[in-house]
Amino acid sequence: AQSVTQPDIHITVSEGASLELRCNYSYGATPYLFWYVQSPGQGLQLLLKYFSGDTLVQGIKGFEAEFKRSQSSFNLRKPSVHWSDAAEYFCAVGRGGKLIFGQGTELSVKP
Amino acid sequence: NAGVTQTPKFQVLKTGQSMTLQCAQDMNHEYMSWYRQDPGMGLRLIHYSVGAGITDQGEVPNGYNVSRSTTEDFPLRLLSAAPSQTSVYFCASRGEGAGGTEAFFGQGTRLTVV
Repeated sequence: AQSVTQPDIHITVSEGASLELRCNYSYGATPYLFWYVQSPGQGLQLLLKYFSGDTLVQGIKGFEAEFKRSQSSFNLRKPSVHWSDAAEYFCAVGRGGKLIFGQGTELSVKP
Repeated sequence: NAGVTQTPKFQVLKTGQSMTLQCAQDMNHEYMSWYRQDPGMGLRLIHYSVGAGITDQGEVPNGYNVSRSTTEDFPLRLLSAAPSQTSVYFCASRGEGAGGTEAFFGQGTRLTVV
């Protein structure tokens, strides 16, 4: 069965600290992988995507993610978090019209 | 470019009423999908379409119908609203081509069933 797991429901980091959000997936074929961010009351904005090629992908707002096929993981990282990064983050996997989302990780940023 | 447009933004229904959530995209995308978002559960796929005239069920299809008569439009119908359908609904579209594209989302419809 296809599934996405984000083990951390809520993470709090200090402003300026590094961040890693975890994402593990189960998918039969080679997946397309995505990270989206959602601010309160807003829609979803794409941070980055992986289709093929280099397993380290760069996204917007200074985010990056690394695809590790052997671990079925696609973790999101940022070297220095800003207060404006506080939001909910979703990992998604799939192809065509069928994307499967994780439960989301809510990020809080301490001043 | 409008992208993906959902209407209405807010709706309150009484139990048993029916309604249609509208979704339109102007990017000529083949794939369109409907999701519902509930606290702690992420986004769950309701129905999706791979082209005009072709639809399929997602993870939580019960109580919802869809049709896709044109490439641009993908309405979601609630046949007989129930309180369990209180949620935020998102429509998304994706294109194909080399590698495909990411999904583009509408701004959501917040539905309350009382």
